[in-house]
Amino acid sequence: QVQLVQSGSELMQSGASVKVSCKASGYTFINYAMSWVRQAPGQGLEWMGRINTNTGNPTYAQGFTGRFVFSLDTSVSTTYLQISSLKAEDTAVYYCAIPSRFCISTNCFHFWGQGTLVTVSS
Amino acid sequence: QSVLTQPPSVSAAPGQKVTISCSGSSSNIGSDYVSWYQQLPGTAPKLLIYDNNKRPSGIPDRISGSKSGTSATLGITGLQTGDEANYYCGTWDSTLSAGVFGGGTKLTVL
Repeated sequence: QVQLVQSGSELMQSGASVKVSCKASGYTFINYAMSWVRQAPGQGLEWMGRINTNTGNPTYAQGFTGRFVFSLDTSVSTTYLQISSLKAEDTAVYYCAIPSRFCISTNCFHFWGQGTLVTVSS
Repeated sequence: QSVLTQPPSVSAAPGQKVTISCSGSSSNIGSDYVSWYQQLPGTAPKLLIYDNNKRPSGIPDRISGSKSGTSATLGITGLQTGDEANYYCGTWDSTLSAGVFGGGTKLTVL
């Protein structure tokens, strides 16, 4: 069965960097782009962008350029989200998500990671 | 301010029916498929509806989705207390070249 397993919660200092991982299993890793979604405390879902797992080409949404980097290691079926120069407003749960073969739209998130809470303290 | 507009909250009694609206524009709902997600407290979102009106395996048929023009609607019949959650619509916006979500709707089953 398809699983996306993310790394654990992180408590970080303002100005530091953090790297969140998302390990995929149960499907052919390069078949689906991996999206990242942010959810700030008490807020809604925000699409951050995605990475083409076949080419490694990332696409970033407005507001997620510069300090946010998507990367991947196909040898271990894992994608990464790195955030640098952390700010208090980066405190959020970060999810990875993919579509499935059933979706016509590529923006259909059928499978989700469990989420990684990143807390930034000043 | 979300690109897609949802009511902040809806409520209904157990056993009743509720609908949640999602309003957009020609660059998003009007030109792509809509998905709906349920998020229970402290958990990851769960796909309820994809491609406007299709249900993934395991989603009961009391859950339905529809789309007309630049709006979409999620319907839930036979409400149960376990349906209390936040619900989000989502699609692709061709102007922004980005995925977009609604602000979310909190469903309360009275």
